[in-house]
Amino acid sequence: GAVVSQHPSWVICKSGTSVKIECRSLDFQATTMFWYRQFPKQSLMLMATSNEGSKATYEQGVEKDKFLINHASLTLSTLTVTSAHPEDSSFYICSASRTGSETQYFGPGTRLLVL
Amino acid sequence: EDQVTQSPEALRLQEGESSSLNCSYTVSGLRGLFWYRQDPGKGPEFLFTLYSAGEEKEKERLKATLTKKESFLHITAPKPEDSATYLCAVQGGSYNTDKLIFGTGTRLQVFP
Repeated sequence: GAVVSQHPSWVICKSGTSVKIECRSLDFQATTMFWYRQFPKQSLMLMATSNEGSKATYEQGVEKDKFLINHASLTLSTLTVTSAHPEDSSFYICSASRTGSETQYFGPGTRLLVL
Repeated sequence: EDQVTQSPEALRLQEGESSSLNCSYTVSGLRGLFWYRQDPGKGPEFLFTLYSAGEEKEKERLKATLTKKESFLHITAPKPEDSATYLCAVQGGSYNTDKLIFGTGTRLQVFP
């Protein structure tokens, strides 16, 4: 168990458009989900922590109005990149932890390219 | 300041040549130390969670150990398919949140 999926795996969009990325825990309920971004040859940088039914907590320097997070159920969180620009191009990865467990299980990631 | 440092940055091994990766951490109130494997273009794959000094866990050719200041990931007789970036992360720290603090990883290449 502990499978996390992301959709889409790849997205290319024009500058100024919005992109939504879904993160689902397939075989467990996740009270908490996390969103990361990763630049080439760098480690993961946490963007925000998402709790089901409440507002996300954003890390310092992450624009909450640009990266909208919704955690509507115990198995689904979404990240919407609004008015995307080329500098938003990156690898976005979500993770989820089972209720009562510290271990985070990661999704396969979504590659975003903004032209 | 809570910090995780991994060494070496990169490691090249011949198939069968055992070695160890290091993860040094400074965090108050450690809740857990995690090892992940990441292949290029993919999300991290969970390997181990360690909670207290002296704890050890094994999975196939991998063995993770933990002291009060560092963790080691021992790789015994590695195979080319073990080539990946190995990430260490800790949970705990000054604000005792759920978030993970990641090291920059060790890129392992195993040659046949």
